[in-house]
Amino acid sequence: NAGVTQTPKFQVLKTGQSMTLQCAQDMNHNSMYWYRQDPGMGLRLIYYSASEGTTDKGEVPNGYNVSRLNKREFSLRLESAAPSQTSVYFCASSEVGRQPQHFGDGTRLSIL
Amino acid sequence: DQQVKQNSPSLSVQEGRISILNCDYTNSMFDYFLWYKKYPAEGPTFLISISSIKDKNEDGRFTVFLNKSAKHLSLHIVPSQPGDSAVYFCAASENYGQNFVFGPGTRLSVLP
Repeated sequence: NAGVTQTPKFQVLKTGQSMTLQCAQDMNHNSMYWYRQDPGMGLRLIYYSASEGTTDKGEVPNGYNVSRLNKREFSLRLESAAPSQTSVYFCASSEVGRQPQHFGDGTRLSIL
Repeated sequence: DQQVKQNSPSLSVQEGRISILNCDYTNSMFDYFLWYKKYPAEGPTFLISISSIKDKNEDGRFTVFLNKSAKHLSLHIVPSQPGDSAVYFCAASENYGQNFVFGPGTRLSVLP
């Protein structure tokens, strides 16, 4: 029962490098999300995709792009990484309506 | 300004006793609330939810109470077990939306 799978689990980048975080879910959910979690703060929404073919900005979208490749996959791209993007990134998925989100185990990203 | 606040960063309770985790919100439009539990190096997992049309919801050892006039909700765990030791996040959404605002979390330690 994989649920939501994120790759990689850890990554270290240098400032200015680019990186794509991958996320895949096997629950046939329509909606997918990318969050970041920083110390002392809750999860903050970066981007979400309510359904295949649509994406929308969340609370903190600057410096990121996303692609909803198909119903299963939702990737997050950092075009030019900055130290302020050092964080733990979580992908989640859910069914439509008032349904809880299911999270992956996160990607720990450090930018030097 | 944080719309969802968890003012206690940490809480310690004895095994078998009650754990009470608190959450306050400022947005009166929030009408759906969730609690998530998070273990280290894992993603958050859904625990229990409550809609604004209710003031209480129970699921086994977990009960969530909602006080709309005070914009306050609480999670009660009875009896507390060592396996409950984790970070607990409160999250809220409005207008049947799927975009949740998360609190910063409370770290619960249940001592044997």
